[in-house]
Amino acid sequence: DVKVTQSSRYLVKRTGEKVFLECVQDMDHENMFWYRQDPGLGLRLIYFSYDVKMKEKGDIPEGYSVSREKKERFSLILESASTNQTSMYLCASSPPGRGTGELFFGEGSRLTVL
Amino acid sequence: DQQVKQNSPSLSVQEGRISILNCDYTNSMFDYFLWYKKYPAEGPTFLISISSIKDKNEDGRFTVFLNKSAKHLSLHIVPSQPGDSAVYFCAASGSGSARQLTFGSGTQLTVLP
Repeated sequence: DVKVTQSSRYLVKRTGEKVFLECVQDMDHENMFWYRQDPGLGLRLIYFSYDVKMKEKGDIPEGYSVSREKKERFSLILESASTNQTSMYLCASSPPGRGTGELFFGEGSRLTVL
Repeated sequence: DQQVKQNSPSLSVQEGRISILNCDYTNSMFDYFLWYKKYPAEGPTFLISISSIKDKNEDGRFTVFLNKSAKHLSLHIVPSQPGDSAVYFCAASGSGSARQLTFGSGTQLTVLP
């Protein structure tokens, strides 16, 4: 069974702290994505990566960075957390090419910044 | 500027009846459309998709219709079941190897027993 695992389901951090969100997939997928989900806004793409050490900005990259040192792992980093980054963060992966267009999502990490 | 819009934040339907969820898009470069279902505290799961070369795709109780001229797609669920109660996201993608998806804001479907 395919699996995308996000390391933390719930986090509470203080303004200014550095935050790491980890995501691991076991499907040998080339593409990995970080989205955030907010009420009324749906899922918005923060960053994506189509290969090891490669990254591309999504629609809302400000305040975030990412790291992809290994194919199976994609990390989202908040250098200095702010209250407007309180959100649900969703990691996803997909194989290359178009295929069904399906993304496989993790269960999400709910981050609260105080 | 939202390129994928779901104008109904919520929808309530009686069990056994049809649920129709709607989605509009503005980017004419989109050529692949998907629906995802999301339960609380879980990640979205893929439900059904349609390519722009088709106008209909069916999978069991779920059918997606695409009207390219109107830039509109809809998801029909027949018959609706209480277990279908979830948030449904419409998503679209254009050409590109990374299959980047643009999502709508979601519609909360509640199926009443």
